Amino acid sequence: DIVMTQSPDSQAVSLGERATINCKSSQSVFSGTNNKNSLAWYQQKPGQPPKLLFYWASTRESGVPDRFSGSGSGTEFTLTISSLQVEDVAVYYCQQYFSTPCTFGQGTKLEIK
Amino acid sequence: QVPLVESGGGVVQPGRSLRLSCVASGFAFSSYAMHWVRQAPGKGLEWVGVIWYDGSQKYYADSVKGRFTISRDDSKNTLYLQMNSLRSEDTAVYYCARERGGTGCDFWGQGTLVIVSS
Repeated sequence: DIVMTQSPDSQAVSLGERATINCKSSQSVFSGTNNKNSLAWYQQKPGQPPKLLFYWASTRESGVPDRFSGSGSGTEFTLTISSLQVEDVAVYYCQQYFSTPCTFGQGTKLEIK
Repeated sequence: QVPLVESGGGVVQPGRSLRLSCVASGFAFSSYAMHWVRQAPGKGLEWVGVIWYDGSQKYYADSVKGRFTISRDDSKNTLYLQMNSLRSEDTAVYYCARERGGTGCDFWGQGTLVIVSS
């Protein structure tokens, strides 16, 4: 199984500042078939289901603000929020869908400093 | 209209069974692979399993393999999760989610809570 490890577990960032969340996979999730990384990012707010933010590691889902960006390849990935807003307070998860089981990272809780 | 609605959760004793349902609407259910994901109280997301769009393939997490079975009835636009031999560690909110052609899960239900307790 591919193990997904996020860092940090929690982070407090000031409004308007940059937030960065890292995700490492225990093996590469890059597919030579389509030259894409099978990595998704989700945002989950309290009492709500997860919301898809990015797929293929860096393709932004429709409706996601452009202050969010996804990057990385192979085994190391990053979710960046360029200017933190109040509505961005949430837990963020990465997930690999390269192979089953489609494992999630443990989550990163993002708060306002 | 909410595209995915789960039901069937509740309180069940250890060792007993429960079947969850997820009714889809507003999209071509039979064209999509569907996942179950769970979240224990205060914990992170745990992938439970997936069924291919045509039902031909099913995969499960090791933690539920042999106890849980995913199925679908495309005539009813419904996904199922049959849970047998339930354990206390199966206590969680269970979400169904639509996989959009290998690009992650773009639609999620609101979840249904399963509590396994004597």
